[in-house]
Amino acid sequence: KNQVEQSPQSLIILEGKNCTLQCNYTVSPFSNLRWYKQDTGRGPVSLTIMTFSENTKSNGRYTATLDADTKQSSLHITASQLSDSASYICVVSPRSSASKIIFGSGTRLSIRP
Amino acid sequence: DSGVTQTPKHLITATGQRVTLRCSPRSGDLSVYWYQQSLDQGLQFLIQYYNGEERAKGNILERFSAQQFPDLHSELNLSSLELGDSALYFCASSGNGSSYNEQFFGPGTRLTVL
Repeated sequence: KNQVEQSPQSLIILEGKNCTLQCNYTVSPFSNLRWYKQDTGRGPVSLTIMTFSENTKSNGRYTATLDADTKQSSLHITASQLSDSASYICVVSPRSSASKIIFGSGTRLSIRP
Repeated sequence: DSGVTQTPKHLITATGQRVTLRCSPRSGDLSVYWYQQSLDQGLQFLIQYYNGEERAKGNILERFSAQQFPDLHSELNLSSLELGDSALYFCASSGNGSSYNEQFFGPGTRLTVL
């Protein structure tokens, strides 16, 4: 069964610190993997998208990495800001069914001043 | 602002009722996706339309239906509502119907069933 699991479920860090969020998936073969940021009560916003052949993708202070061999991805946030408080969702698209993308349950990140 | 609009923003109704949620995709996007997000839960894919035709179905209940009109806006109809249908309903759009394309999400409709 295709699954996407994220860890930790929640995380609290101090403003200015770095953090790394994890995503493990069993979707194989897959087409692409994305990270979304979702503010409470708002729609998700795309941060990065990587195809299976890419290892890393950056978007400002957000850097996503992908290891297709171990089926793991991580999202690293540097110099965190209060506005980074949100849920971060890992999403994987199976190559077999491009439309049936699979969402992880997300990591809820809280940044404390 | 993603360019995707959803109405209404909030909807409060009673069990057994029927409601219609509306979505207008980004200009030029042919594909529309509907998602349900219950409290503290992940996003659940419901259904996708591409240029008026149903493209993919996810965990959509038989009480729910959707359609995409010639002007590409989409409606999600929820009937015989139950308390458990209370959730945020998101619409997303993308360009050519493949998930290779980034999906842009609307602000959501918050449905409360009392």
